[in-house]
Amino acid sequence: AQSVTQLDSHVSVSEGTPVLLRCNYSSSYSPSLFWYVQHPNKGLQLLLKYTSAATLVKGINGFEAEFKKSETSFHLTKPSAHMSDAAEYFCVVSDILRGGNKLVFGAGTILRVKS
Amino acid sequence: GAGVSQSPSNKVTEKGKDVELRCDPISGHTALYWYRQRLGQGLEFLIYFQGNSAPDKSGLPSDRFSAERTGESVSTLTIQRTQQEDSAVYLCASSKPGLAGGVNTGELFFGEGSRLTVL
Repeated sequence: AQSVTQLDSHVSVSEGTPVLLRCNYSSSYSPSLFWYVQHPNKGLQLLLKYTSAATLVKGINGFEAEFKKSETSFHLTKPSAHMSDAAEYFCVVSDILRGGNKLVFGAGTILRVKS
Repeated sequence: GAGVSQSPSNKVTEKGKDVELRCDPISGHTALYWYRQRLGQGLEFLIYFQGNSAPDKSGLPSDRFSAERTGESVSTLTIQRTQQEDSAVYLCASSKPGLAGGVNTGELFFGEGSRLTVL
């Protein structure tokens, strides 16, 4: 079975400061991992994905995430927050590399950016 | 269309009524998912369709919930005898086949959801 835990339900940062959204996963085999973003009244959008290639993955809008197998983590970071980054972020674990189809979503982290 | 389309965008119904939610996936996407998102919670997997294979219904919460998909096109999610706890946003997503013709790439394209309120 797979699961994902987002360690913070809410994160608040000031504009221009770094962003860190934490995610830990549980999987009995090498997983695929994703981060999705949901802006208010918009559909979810893929930010980035890890599928067993480079462990440091770069996504859209300056976000990146690092897969750390030893820590079972896939934290999302951005060097400098922008007001437009305010949204809800979901960490996702999947077994698609094994031919599965399940994408398990975390509970989400709401990012607030203060001016 | 360019993206995943869902209808209705909002539905208010009375407890005990049946509702039907529709999803038009992106053309060529063989995989289709339904998720439920309750207020303040993450996405809950409901059902998965892949081409003409038997659907994975393991996430359906009760026998009041059912879904159909015709080939690789439109899908409908039906909730019978709605209850107040069914109130949520129902999200549909589609995915294209993997590079090696595998299940899918894992990148889901989501619609904007159907918000269901059961009074």
